[in-house]
Amino acid sequence: GENVEQHPSTLSVQEGDSAVIKCTYSDSASNYFPWYKQELGKRPQLIIDIRSNVGEKKDQRIAVTLNKTAKHFSLHITETQPEDSAVYFCAADGNTGGFKTIFGAGTRLFVKA
Amino acid sequence: DTGVSQNPRHKITKRGQNVTFRCDPISEHNRLYWYRQTLGQGPEFLTYFQNEAQLEKSRLLSDRFSAERPKGSFSTLEIQRTEQGDSAMYLCASSLDRPPYEQYFGPGTRLTVT
Repeated sequence: GENVEQHPSTLSVQEGDSAVIKCTYSDSASNYFPWYKQELGKRPQLIIDIRSNVGEKKDQRIAVTLNKTAKHFSLHITETQPEDSAVYFCAADGNTGGFKTIFGAGTRLFVKA
Repeated sequence: DTGVSQNPRHKITKRGQNVTFRCDPISEHNRLYWYRQTLGQGPEFLTYFQNEAQLEKSRLLSDRFSAERPKGSFSTLEIQRTEQGDSAMYLCASSLDRPPYEQYFGPGTRLTVT
């Protein structure tokens, strides 16, 4: 069945450093890849997404890259801040959006001040 | 509040009892999703509605689980004969069926089966 692997499970960085989270997916039909941030006790919130016809997308300090051939996609956060501390989930979708979204297990990011 | 809402926020029940959760999506969203999330894991897809039609169900959704969206607005998720393994956070999300497709999540219903 469809599967999304996410690494690392925990990531600790110093404030101002960069953080990179990597995901791989198994369903070659996946063509929409959202990233969610979930703070403790709160709901997941979309922070950035990318579609299969694009290799890279950037939004201020956050960027996502996609390699469809290798079925890899990654989240890059630059100039990390303590408020970036949260659990980040990657996901892969088998349709153009919002159809049986498969989530990774999450990466707990700690940003040390 | 125009976001996704879920009720109740917490539910404690004894094993074997039936429970029902409600989700009210963002009003103009015609897609609605149910997920289950356990501690330390990502949301697991359970089922998905396009308007009132249930278009996809996960294999995780056993016969004890049923979901409805009778008028294409709010949805209910019922779990019959609850088991301790059903204890989890049940999340609802909604989206448009056109770009940008972003799913907006509700606050979740935390179910504890004792």
